[in-house]
Amino acid sequence: DVKVTQSSRYLVKRTGEKVFLECVQDMDHENMFWYRQDPGLGLRLIYFSYDVKMKEKGDIPEGYSVSREKKERFSLILESASTNQTSMYLCASSLFRTGSSYEQYFGPGTRLTVT
Amino acid sequence: AQSVAQPEDQVNVAEGNPLTVKCTYSVSGNPYLFWYVQYPNRGLQFLLKYITGDNLVKGSYGFEAEFNKSQTSFHLKKPSALVSDSALYFCAVRDLYNQGGKLIFGQGTELSVKP
Repeated sequence: DVKVTQSSRYLVKRTGEKVFLECVQDMDHENMFWYRQDPGLGLRLIYFSYDVKMKEKGDIPEGYSVSREKKERFSLILESASTNQTSMYLCASSLFRTGSSYEQYFGPGTRLTVT
Repeated sequence: AQSVAQPEDQVNVAEGNPLTVKCTYSVSGNPYLFWYVQYPNRGLQFLLKYITGDNLVKGSYGFEAEFNKSQTSFHLKKPSALVSDSALYFCAVRDLYNQGGKLIFGQGTELSVKP
């Protein structure tokens, strides 16, 4: 079974803090994704990566950055946390090879509260 | 533009009755379609996918989905609903303009199954 883990289930940070959210997958997937989920807005893609050290902006990258130094690990960084970044953050991974069907596998989520 | 729509924010069903959660899509080529389920405070779980082949796809927990090319739909179904099926359901389609395996998600449908 694919396993995607996220470093924290719940996190409380103060405005202006630098926040790191970590995601690790154990299935040698090339693709990794960071989403945020807010009521009424569905899932919104923040950033994704299809290879080590590669990244692409998603729909809402402002205020976020990412790092992928190893294939299995994808980090989301909030450079200076703000209250409007209070949300549920979901990490996902998928295969990116010829013949793959691209279904994504999700971690349990991190509920971040910025006060 | 590619998109996926879930026309119902909420679906209410009595336990034991059949359920349908609707999804329509718009893509420029042959679609890769997915259904996910999300239980409260959890990540998304992959239910099933359509890539090619039979229009009726079977997935986890007794769910199935019917691909209809002429109606550009991919409705999720179950013959007999359980209270434990109550959750948030997401339909998704692969973004064919992106080689990296991005998925486009619908807004989600809240399914409530009452005893």
